[in-house]
Amino acid sequence: AQTVTQSQPEMSVQEAETVTLSCTYDTSESDYYLFWYKQPPSRQMILVIRQEAYKQQNATENRFSVNFQKAAKSFSLKISDSQLGDAAMYFCAYRRASGNTGKLIFGQGTTLQVKP
Amino acid sequence: ETGVTQSPTHLIKTRGQQVTLRCSSQSGHNTVSWYQQALGQGPQFIFQYYREEENGRGNFPPRFSGLQFPNYSSELNVNALELDDSALYLCASSGHRASSYNEQFFGPGTRLTVL
Repeated sequence: AQTVTQSQPEMSVQEAETVTLSCTYDTSESDYYLFWYKQPPSRQMILVIRQEAYKQQNATENRFSVNFQKAAKSFSLKISDSQLGDAAMYFCAYRRASGNTGKLIFGQGTTLQVKP
Repeated sequence: ETGVTQSPTHLIKTRGQQVTLRCSSQSGHNTVSWYQQALGQGPQFIFQYYREEENGRGNFPPRFSGLQFPNYSSELNVNALELDDSALYLCASSGHRASSYNEQFFGPGTRLTVL
């Protein structure tokens, strides 16, 4: 069975600084997707960034980028120039590429605090 | 374009009761997934509906059941409520194209408290 682990329950960063959130996963599949979701206090889960396992190039979305290490099964999220609005709970998630079910497997989450 | 909506926002029930949660999918989406998120935890997949049929189920007992309607909206029903069912229930909708990435868009959730 696939699992996703986030070992940092809480992280803190100064506004305008850079922070990296860690995620490891376990799977026997070769093709899959990895995601980082943001869940602010409003509770609505928002997709931050997505990585296809077959792509070697790390995904980037504005201030958000990932370090995808397929062999190590590691998928970290880097937030540059942190803003107060980045404060939220961040979830790493996995999804198989094959099959019809879009089942997402989530990690336990990391709460990010941004200090002014 | 209307996003995913869920109702009600909050709900309080007592142990043993039954509850129905509702989800309206985003325009153009035909697939709905339900997740349970306990406080301080990541969401857990309950099941997915595609074209009114259950299309995958997580590790949840049969007292968790669902429906999808012709307009692709969906209901989650939970019978014989237990204290551990207290959680945020998230609905996510997506398109459904085989062998293709289909982004899931989440609703704001329903907070269920079982006393």
